[in-house]
Amino acid sequence: DAGITQSPRHKVTETGTPVTLRCHQTENHRYMYWYRQDPGHGLRLIHYSYGVKDTDKGEVSDGYSVSRSKTEDFLLTLESATSSQTSVYFCAISRVTRGEQYFGPGTRLTVT
Amino acid sequence: QQQVKQSPQSLIVQKGGISIINCAYENTAFDYFPWYQQFPGKGPALLIAIRPDVSEKKEGRFTISFNKSAKQFSLHIMDSQPGDSATYFCAASMEASYDKVIFGPGTSLSVIP
Repeated sequence: DAGITQSPRHKVTETGTPVTLRCHQTENHRYMYWYRQDPGHGLRLIHYSYGVKDTDKGEVSDGYSVSRSKTEDFLLTLESATSSQTSVYFCAISRVTRGEQYFGPGTRLTVT
Repeated sequence: QQQVKQSPQSLIVQKGGISIINCAYENTAFDYFPWYQQFPGKGPALLIAIRPDVSEKKEGRFTISFNKSAKQFSLHIMDSQPGDSATYFCAASMEASYDKVIFGPGTSLSVIP
């Protein structure tokens, strides 16, 4: 257990509204990641962070932004939600080996 | 070149049998190959991992076989149990790069009694 929590765990929102998902870790790890999981696509990286205020884009970053003002919190914002962003979102951290990732419980987001 | 291919998409194995999931990659810069196990409603969990300087790694009933020349690696689950029923993801990463952890599309394993 890497002490990762995500909130909310479930959310239904309407197209065009902004949505923020929160990832919180208790172990002070430097590296944090946001993924989305969709059937047939596995896990795809949205954004990642390698320190406070240090973030960068992943494979599927369009329509998403992130912020990290504290080591323990990594926020993912959908600026104007679309139905294509209906997905399960996972936050992850890595310790020393970046391929060795520890995932949170996920947030199921439905955009209607 | 960044893709990780995984097969089969789904697998049904009888209890006690051997489950085999295969993955292939193109980018020879990948240097770490983990496998993740995911149960419904949960996040993926690291199961076992291998580096390319080793051809095989075993942890309990789980074994990774790695073929560097063929750019392929596979997960073998010996004596498969119903509790192993889950989705399995292979992945590949470049340790020098923050973002380069690429996941395969997953294999849904069902172990039937």
